[in-house]
Amino acid sequence: GAGVSQTPSNKVTEKGKYVELRCDPISGHTALYWYRQSLGQGPEFLIYFQGTGAADDSGLPNDRFFAVRPEGSVSTLKIQRTERGDSAVYLCASSFRGTSTDTQYFGPGTRLTVL
Amino acid sequence: AQSVAQPEDQVNVAEGNPLTVKCTYSVSGNPYLFWYVQYPNRGLQFLLKYITGDNLVKGSYGFEAEFNKSQTSFHLKKPSALVSDSALYFCAGTFMDSSYKLIFGSGTRLLVRP
Repeated sequence: GAGVSQTPSNKVTEKGKYVELRCDPISGHTALYWYRQSLGQGPEFLIYFQGTGAADDSGLPNDRFFAVRPEGSVSTLKIQRTERGDSAVYLCASSFRGTSTDTQYFGPGTRLTVL
Repeated sequence: AQSVAQPEDQVNVAEGNPLTVKCTYSVSGNPYLFWYVQYPNRGLQFLLKYITGDNLVKGSYGFEAEFNKSQTSFHLKKPSALVSDSALYFCAGTFMDSSYKLIFGSGTRLLVRP
């Protein structure tokens, strides 16, 4: 079966622009997560969806970041007024139920570069 | 606060030799621990996890890990390394009050030389 997919694989934008990153989870997975991985570091949690609702968005760094999952499947991470410090790899993961013992399956990531 | 540490930035081993990638955790309560591997320009691939029960967990590609509660460790091991095992390895955990959030270590680069 298909794994988690993310588009685009690479995104280069200019400071101040708006970007959208898309995640398509594994079919049947109710839980979806976004993480951010900066160079030389482990991924850091951004937001968690259970179904259509954002159950925990405590990892979003500020109000320029927003994510949606309107139909409980595909999710979009939106970043307004991008800054150079937003440059990172954005990883999406999904899991079957969203419990602490669930295995999270990751997509290949979107590498965002803000010039 | 819960945390996961990988004390080695890089591990070098010769092909055919056993390998160990270290991971320790700090948490009150019982952790659930995971190992992932990351190849260049690819996402994280799940290797194995410890939930409960037998402290020795076997996973994909011949890897195994041993949960040691007294030493708060979850080291990744393989009896005989392959050049193709060269990659970036991440230890991660979910903890009772952060439940679904994976907390990652900083990663260890494994280099297996022919």
